[in-house]
Amino acid sequence: GAVVSQHPSWVICKSGTSVKIECRSLDFQATTMFWYRQFPKQSLMLMATSNEGSKATYEQGVEKDKFLINHASLTLSTLTVTSAHPEDSSFYICSAIAGELNEQFFGPGTRLTVL
Amino acid sequence: GEDVEQSLFLSVREGDSSVINCTYTDSSSTYLYWYKQEPGAGLQLLTYIFSNMDMKQDQRLTVLLNKKDKHLSLRIADTQTGDSAIYFCAERTDKLIFGTGTRLQVFP
Repeated sequence: GAVVSQHPSWVICKSGTSVKIECRSLDFQATTMFWYRQFPKQSLMLMATSNEGSKATYEQGVEKDKFLINHASLTLSTLTVTSAHPEDSSFYICSAIAGELNEQFFGPGTRLTVL
Repeated sequence: GEDVEQSLFLSVREGDSSVINCTYTDSSSTYLYWYKQEPGAGLQLLTYIFSNMDMKQDQRLTVLLNKKDKHLSLRIADTQTGDSAIYFCAERTDKLIFGTGTRLQVFP
């Protein structure tokens, strides 16, 4: 199946700094990528839908100025958490759509810890 | 609104069958999915079913869909310790909505 990678797999940062997370589709072109956030022992919550070459569509309650998404190419989307605070600590998972069935493939996730 | 519910926890003995249930509210779902998540990892697609199907079997996995009751289930036959994980159902409308997750624990 298609492979989606994320980098880094985990990051620890100080409060107030910005963190960039990369999501890549390794063997296919993804016109649409999604970013999810998962708190401990909870489900995945969709943050935003990212289409290549256009602005991301954010879900209600997600601050677009805090979570900057750039989908500059068909294989790369980035999520930047700006001025991170401890409450932003979470597991961030990206996914990309591939194939005629519009199957969604998920990355391995990035664990962000803000001190 | 979109709401996908699952029971939180299921414990089974190795070799028994596991049945994980899911209820959803949006009748316009096109596909319904089951994903597996192991600790600290992303999601692995296990199987999916098209909304006009009642049942799908894939090796040890059987998916049953009752569209009238908006109820989806995943049966794992001959459950193994390696099946211990969190299982998420998900429905696709204009986006993918995940259930609350069921933690499956398999004991020897």
